[in-house]
Amino acid sequence: DVKVTQSSRYLVKRTGEKVFLECVQDMDHENMFWYRQDPGLGLRLIYFSYDVKMKEKGDIPEGYSVSREKKERFSLILESASTNQTSMYLCASSLAGESQPQHFGDGTRLSIL
Amino acid sequence: GQNIDQPTEMTATEGAIVQINCTYQTSGFNGLFWYQQHAGEAPTFLSYNVLDGLEEKGRFSSFLSRSKGYSYLLLKELQMKDSASYLCAVMDSNYQLIWGAGTKLIIKP
Repeated sequence: DVKVTQSSRYLVKRTGEKVFLECVQDMDHENMFWYRQDPGLGLRLIYFSYDVKMKEKGDIPEGYSVSREKKERFSLILESASTNQTSMYLCASSLAGESQPQHFGDGTRLSIL
Repeated sequence: GQNIDQPTEMTATEGAIVQINCTYQTSGFNGLFWYQQHAGEAPTFLSYNVLDGLEEKGRFSSFLSRSKGYSYLLLKELQMKDSASYLCAVMDSNYQLIWGAGTKLIIKP
């Protein structure tokens, strides 16, 4: 089974802090994704990566950056956390190909105070 | 703009059948996915449709009509553990997934 592991289930940070969310997958997937999930809204794509050291902006990249130095690891960085970034953050990975499903981690519930 | 519509919430009875609808308007179409998400957990993949018709997988089936921009997820012999949110997602012409807000399904005994 595919395992996508996110470093923290719950995280509380203060405004202005730099926040790192880590994601590791163990199935040699090419693609990795970061989403945020808010009540009443669909998953919104922040950034994605199709290969090591490669990144593409999603629908809501503002205030975020990412890093993919190794194939199995995809990190999301909040450069200067703000209260409107309080959300559930989901990492996903998939094989290349349009029919390949994304496999999700358990999520990180991030609160910015 | 791109849009995925699903009912916000549905209620059904244990042992019954329920159909969750999804309509979409997207720039291009490269397949439609259904996911299940229990409260506080990760979404898990249920089904993928790219051609018109019905795909059956045990108690769950998924239907697609590309000409109507419409899909449904059919759950038979409902069990209490089927209480969850069901997410519809369409892959657009840029091979990006566009997600619906999800349908919360409540199963009553």
